[in-house]
Amino acid sequence: GAGVSQSPSNKVTEKGKDVELRCDPISGHTALYWYRQSLGQGLEFLIYFQGNSAPDKSGLPSDRFSAERTGGSVSTLTIQRTQQEDSAVYLCASSSNRGGGEAFFGQGTRLTVV
Amino acid sequence: GQQLNQSPQSMFIQEGEDVSMNCTSSSIFNTWLWYKQDPGEGPVLLIALYKAGELTSNGRLTAQFGITRKDSFLNISASIPSDVGIYFCAGQRGNKLVFGAGTILRVKS
Repeated sequence: GAGVSQSPSNKVTEKGKDVELRCDPISGHTALYWYRQSLGQGLEFLIYFQGNSAPDKSGLPSDRFSAERTGGSVSTLTIQRTQQEDSAVYLCASSSNRGGGEAFFGQGTRLTVV
Repeated sequence: GQQLNQSPQSMFIQEGEDVSMNCTSSSIFNTWLWYKQDPGEGPVLLIALYKAGELTSNGRLTAQFGITRKDSFLNISASIPSDVGIYFCAGQRGNKLVFGAGTILRVKS
């Protein structure tokens, strides 16, 4: 597609349920990032994928968080047993340059855990 | 936590005024990027800087990559109401883009 696409745009879930957030990066971009943004806060790095290399998972806040990237394209961020503190906007970005460079963001998924 | 110090945290300015914000770090970055985020949207890339000392302009925006590679600034000239938003700096270190906490820009019309 023309830009990074994320779905759903909004998700309300009950505490304890699992959620999956999807990211479709720009076609041909080898690098993909997930960030979390709490209300009024900056961007917290979660995970980074680059081609077929092992992902950098150093930003995942707990073992309830996991992410996959299938076929080097679409990525899914999964949060298990959601907690209220997981409520935030989850942003995905992709880049054609190795290790950063010009990363382009999707519009994000606003997750609300009630 | 954040590894870039971005300032100011927020600012009100009069329409037509020039704006300046900056980011500093104790570590070296290879790339500096500046993004703007509007409410309900993802950050949009404004300017990318790849060389120490580089000065780049994009319309009313000007950004510089500090000589020490540990800082960058963004200037906005002749601000207008649509400049309202949150501005983020980002530095590339290894595989990560590290973001500043953001500068909230509010314009008095």
